[in-house]
Amino acid sequence: ETGVTQTPRHLVMGMTNKKSLKCEQHLGHNAMYWYKQSAKKPLELMFVYNFKEQTENNSVPSRFSPECPNSSHLFLHLHTLQPEDSALYLCASSPSGQKNIQYFGAGTRLSVL
Amino acid sequence: AQSVTQLDSQVPVFEEAPVELRCNYSSSVSVYLFWYVQYPNQGLQLLLKYLSGSTLVESINGFEAEFNKSQTSFHLRKPSVHISDTAEYFCAVTRGGGADGLTFGKGTHLIIQP
Repeated sequence: ETGVTQTPRHLVMGMTNKKSLKCEQHLGHNAMYWYKQSAKKPLELMFVYNFKEQTENNSVPSRFSPECPNSSHLFLHLHTLQPEDSALYLCASSPSGQKNIQYFGAGTRLSVL
Repeated sequence: AQSVTQLDSQVPVFEEAPVELRCNYSSSVSVYLFWYVQYPNQGLQLLLKYLSGSTLVESINGFEAEFNKSQTSFHLRKPSVHISDTAEYFCAVTRGGGADGLTFGKGTHLIIQP
């Protein structure tokens, strides 16, 4: 148990659906991250939030919409996804301003049909 | 920008044999270096980290890694592996000092053979 909880663990959705991924951390961290892990590719950073403000968007398509209402919660809203968006989506958190040691959740396995 | 190269996508090793997983990085600034391990159907767990100080860092389960600035490497080693070490291992770098994303290598699948 890393202190970072992601729900749901598995999600199957059609290309016209709208769904949301949730991440919650109980570590008192101020920075939160979304990563995408696809087969045969390195983990890719998607978004960074620091003290609830988005500080990095790594050229992610607009069909992925993040939300960070407070330092403990991070959401990834999904709409009109494509089959190539099927992947494991990992959330991480870290204590901002320190040495950026990131702690990961177990991920949400997303399948887009 | 940083980049990480893990040349070996798979490393098969017999149980109780030593292993080395290679990691090289490229960066124009000082970086912090990490090894993460991912067991099947799980997220990433921090295995060990180099932030500063001694260039040899160790984990609680027998792994160690050595930061070599001249070679820009951070290879992971274990003198004797166990079946339970079967997993995917990721090397990662970050500039640190704030909320910076990690740049990962492609990962190395360590396969322990009985």
